[in-house]
Amino acid sequence: NAGVTQTPKFQVLKTGQSMTLQCAQDMNHEYMSWYRQDPGMGLRLIHYSVGAGITDQGEVPNGYNVSRSTTEDFPLRLLSAAPSQTSVYFCASSRYAHLYGYTFGSGTRLTVV
Amino acid sequence: KNEVEQSPQNLTAQEGEFITINCSYSVGISALHWLQQHPGGGIVSLFMLSSGKKKHGRLIATINIQEKHSSLHITASHPRDSAVYICALLLDTDKLIFGTGTRLQVFP
Repeated sequence: NAGVTQTPKFQVLKTGQSMTLQCAQDMNHEYMSWYRQDPGMGLRLIHYSVGAGITDQGEVPNGYNVSRSTTEDFPLRLLSAAPSQTSVYFCASSRYAHLYGYTFGSGTRLTVV
Repeated sequence: KNEVEQSPQNLTAQEGEFITINCSYSVGISALHWLQQHPGGGIVSLFMLSSGKKKHGRLIATINIQEKHSSLHITASHPRDSAVYICALLLDTDKLIFGTGTRLQVFP
């Protein structure tokens, strides 16, 4: 099992560009989520999904879109990148989280110039 | 709204020392994660616990649900333990609330 795979690991964007951060898991986890990590702050929830076809907003959803067409994939789209979106992004997944906890991806470091 | 507080924020130690990192929280939880993040690295789950104590190698995690407090202990610390340790609360909704982390540096 590969676990949670995030691509790319690093990305530099110009202000106004759009891009998609990919997240895939091969553990048949129902719950998938995206977080951003900024200095001095805890990870904050951007969007999450409890299953294919179902998504919902987290704490900081503005400027991001998600979709969940399959159980395995949960891409995060930046519609028009802004410098405030410079951050490290983590994808995570879980199934019966209260029993088995979460599995995290290795992160994507995004810089918007 | 600081539902979860970690202390200390930064910690330095000499190799071999016993380390304690604390996590206090103010909401009802389903469980609590202790996570490890090496510089520039991904996040790894060390423990998930909802009661009592768990041990894995030199790492020990305890939780007191009544007092809403958890601790992570590292015995015989080693430079490779240098990392950020994050406490994360698992809510009944399966959402996570993260602490801001404790940066640990262990010197030889």
